[in-house]
Amino acid sequence: SQQGEEDPQALSIQEGENATMNCSYKTSINNLQWYRQNSGRGLVHLILIRSNEREKHSGRLRVTLDTSKKSSSLLITASRAADTASYFCATDRKAGTALIFGKGTTLSVSS
Amino acid sequence: DVKVTQSSRYLVKRTGEKVFLECVQDMDHENMFWYRQDPGLGLRLIYFSYDVKMKEKGDIPEGYSVSREKKERFSLILESASTNQTSMYLCASSFSPTGEAFFGQGTRLTVV
Repeated sequence: SQQGEEDPQALSIQEGENATMNCSYKTSINNLQWYRQNSGRGLVHLILIRSNEREKHSGRLRVTLDTSKKSSSLLITASRAADTASYFCATDRKAGTALIFGKGTTLSVSS
Repeated sequence: DVKVTQSSRYLVKRTGEKVFLECVQDMDHENMFWYRQDPGLGLRLIYFSYDVKMKEKGDIPEGYSVSREKKERFSLILESASTNQTSMYLCASSFSPTGEAFFGQGTRLTVV
């Protein structure tokens, strides 16, 4: 069962532009996380936002959470070629047992 | 530097073989997870463990088993490998079950 679904599936932008990807989920959550995966590697944690938070920043990353719409967005400002990767949102599977991940958004940043 | 280490980056096995994928973490985490990742399907949870000798089925446990004899080690076992188990396998650990997860580098398994 996949709780979160990212949108779009793929995104291509130029260096310097902003990239926005969205995540929608189905049931109530304790927190929502975003991860990044470089090609063929493991995932790296980017940011965690709790259900009682609406917005969080980390460097060039900005995450918003709208629990009424069951959705989150990840904004990467001033994108760089090194941001080229897949991005996944992750939420609770059920009752705090494990994380489940969406299918991801593949971001390509060209110079 | 925190680390989750998977024993192999690439593995090629024959159909019917028993396959062991090993994962070790050095962060004293109680929670460990195995996922598989396939194109178009994202990550799917196979098994997880919240304590030594404890295990819970994830969303796709069929054809797999796990072993957790020590806190730092979580093994995924393919009892009789099949071609549809060709995939990228990712191990992760975390302090709390749905907290920040730390991933290994992945094992790309090919079953021929």
